[in-house]
Amino acid sequence: GAGVSQSPSNKVTEKGKDVELRCDPISGHTALYWYRQRLGQGLEFLIYFQGNSAPDKSGLPSDRFSAERTGESVSTLTIQRTQQEDSAVYLCASSSLGGTSRYEQYFGPGTRLTVT
Amino acid sequence: SQKIEQNSEALNIQEGKTATLTCNYTNYSPAYLQWYRQDPGRGPVFLLLIRENEKEKRKERLKVTFDTTLKQSLFHITASQPADSATYLCASISGGYQKVTFGTGTKLQVIP
Repeated sequence: GAGVSQSPSNKVTEKGKDVELRCDPISGHTALYWYRQRLGQGLEFLIYFQGNSAPDKSGLPSDRFSAERTGESVSTLTIQRTQQEDSAVYLCASSSLGGTSRYEQYFGPGTRLTVT
Repeated sequence: SQKIEQNSEALNIQEGKTATLTCNYTNYSPAYLQWYRQDPGRGPVFLLLIRENEKEKRKERLKVTFDTTLKQSLFHITASQPADSATYLCASISGGYQKVTFGTGTKLQVIP
């Protein structure tokens, strides 16, 4: 594909409901990252995938958050029993292997999550 | 704990001048530093990467420096234009699996 895509672009949910956010990385990119960005804030690292394994889950804020990835393609971030403090833009990025280009992250447009 | 900070939340400069943004890190030694641009409602876009053993890197009107003594990176935009107005994020890469840590960003406004 042309770039990283994320769906939905916007999600409004009631407190206590579960939500699932999807990320389609650039084809061939083995690394995939999830970040959270609250309004006016920087990017908060959530989780990193190399292929379908996650060597670093340290950024997941609580056990309500989980993520999985199928092979080197789609990833889903699931938030269970959503809380109002989960409201943010969730960004996904991917990068390729090989030289320093593996550090160049290509970001999707994000999913804006609003918990009411 | 390791920390990466961008000192200015916002910076206003006149068109044509050089904008200089600062990124400082503490309690660790990243192998690489990166700079990204983020426009409102969009994901960040990669601009430049610099290694710890490089002093300076350039790309068109952009220049990045990496000073391991000061633990600082400077990001310069020369001959700034209103289209350069955006939030600029620095990011460090460190650790065994090359963890990426982002600063909070500096919002640059170039005034015509």
